[in-house]
Amino acid sequence: KQEVTQIPAALSVPEGENLVLNCSFTDSAIYNLQWFRQDPGKGLTSLLLIQSSQREQTSGRLNASLDKSSGRSTLYIAASQPGDSATYLCAAPHSGGGADGLTFGKGTHLIIQP
Amino acid sequence: GAGVSQSPSNKVTEKGKDVELRCDPISGHTALYWYRQSLGQGLEFLIYFQGNSAPDKSGLPSDRFSAERTGGSVSTLTIQRTQQEDSAVYLCASSFPLAGAGEQYFGPGTRLTVT
Repeated sequence: KQEVTQIPAALSVPEGENLVLNCSFTDSAIYNLQWFRQDPGKGLTSLLLIQSSQREQTSGRLNASLDKSSGRSTLYIAASQPGDSATYLCAAPHSGGGADGLTFGKGTHLIIQP
Repeated sequence: GAGVSQSPSNKVTEKGKDVELRCDPISGHTALYWYRQSLGQGLEFLIYFQGNSAPDKSGLPSDRFSAERTGGSVSTLTIQRTQQEDSAVYLCASSFPLAGAGEQYFGPGTRLTVT
C-alpha cells in the first residue's frame, strides 16, 4: 500500500526566498508523481507531473525532481511571492500504475510573507 | 475547453438521507476518479473508472457508498443513509491515460454537510 509523507507540514518565509518542499513515498514502482496546489476553500490545481522516466520537470519558477530509487520527490520554488501562499500536495499512484487512484500526502501549508 | 465540473457545490442533508453527487469530466477523458477530503483524514481515494473496465472500488469506505459512470462520461456518487462522518468535500478528477501520462485534473468539489 502506497504511503506518502510531506515535510515540512508548514512553512513561513519572507518574500523572495527560494524554498524546497519534500515528499517521500513507500512504493517506488510508480509510473508518475504529481504535485498540486490547493488554495483555501478551493479545489486542486495541478502544478507538475513527473513521469517515472524523468528526473525533473519545470514550469516557470517551479521545478520538481523525482528519485524513484530513494522514494523521494522535491518541489523547488524560486523567488517566492505572496501569491504562492497555499497548501502544496504531493500524490503518487496508489498501486504504482499509470492511470490509477492517487495517494496524497497531508500537504505543506506555505505562507509567503510580503 | 471546459474543466471538470461538479454539482451541487454545496449540499446539506439530514442524517439518514441519501445524497447524489454529480461529476462531468473533461470531454474525451476516459478515466474518472472520486476522492474525498475531510479535516481528519486528508485526501482519500474512493473509486476509479477507466473506459469500460470494472471500476476500482478499493477506496470506498463502506457499502453505503456507490458510484456509476454512464456512457463513459458523467458519473454519480451516491451515499445512502448518510452519517455525520460522511461530512467532507467530495472531489472528482479526470485524466486521459494514453496521453499526458495520466495527469489528473480536479473539479471544484461538492461540500457535503450531514446534520
